[in-house]
Amino acid sequence: GEDVEQSLFLSVREGDSSVINCTYTDSSSTYLYWYKQEPGAGLQLLTYIFSNMDMKQDQRLTVLLNKKDKHLSLRIADTQTGESAIYFCAASDSWGKLQFGAGTQVVVTP
Amino acid sequence: GAVVSQHPSRVICKSGTSVKIECRSLDFQATTMFWYRQFPKQSLMLMATSNEGSKATYEQGVEKDKFLINHASLTLSTLTVTSAHPEDSSFYICSAHGTSGGETDTQYFGPGTRLTVL
Repeated sequence: GEDVEQSLFLSVREGDSSVINCTYTDSSSTYLYWYKQEPGAGLQLLTYIFSNMDMKQDQRLTVLLNKKDKHLSLRIADTQTGESAIYFCAASDSWGKLQFGAGTQVVVTP
Repeated sequence: GAVVSQHPSRVICKSGTSVKIECRSLDFQATTMFWYRQFPKQSLMLMATSNEGSKATYEQGVEKDKFLINHASLTLSTLTVTSAHPEDSSFYICSAHGTSGGETDTQYFGPGTRLTVL
């Protein structure tokens, strides 16, 4: 089955860009997602990319997809302290079933 | 964006009792809902896929008699943890698969339910 991996921790200064990386194994994944989870809360969809795209920009968020290497990244420009959270990448199959990575804890320091 | 609600947000119960958690899609219809479990500092683990009007599909290792799922309508799925024990204490999150506001067909997550079994 699908295996999704991501780095566990990222520390970044306020105002800098954050880059969170993710790899997946199933080349037939149709959509790839980035979700954000704040403490004690559910998941908030940040952005997604369809597998036939290689880049998607949404305001301060940029998603890059290298389908050949099965590598996905999320860049958050001008990161704010309020954006400290856990960020999950997820890959979906054609049935909509999601496989999540372990989550990257992002800590934004003033 | 689409809104998915869960009720209750927190529940504390005694060992041996059953607990029902509701998941509702508020502004769209969801033919498929998913139930996840999340342990502290861990990722989400898919428990089951719930399809409206049919039996849920459980992931390997998830006891279907313990975690009863009912998807009664296109906007409501319920998870009942039967005869709960302390090891069932966890954060339960549902998601609804649908299209809302012109966005692509995707999964929208509820806020989660924190279950504590004493």
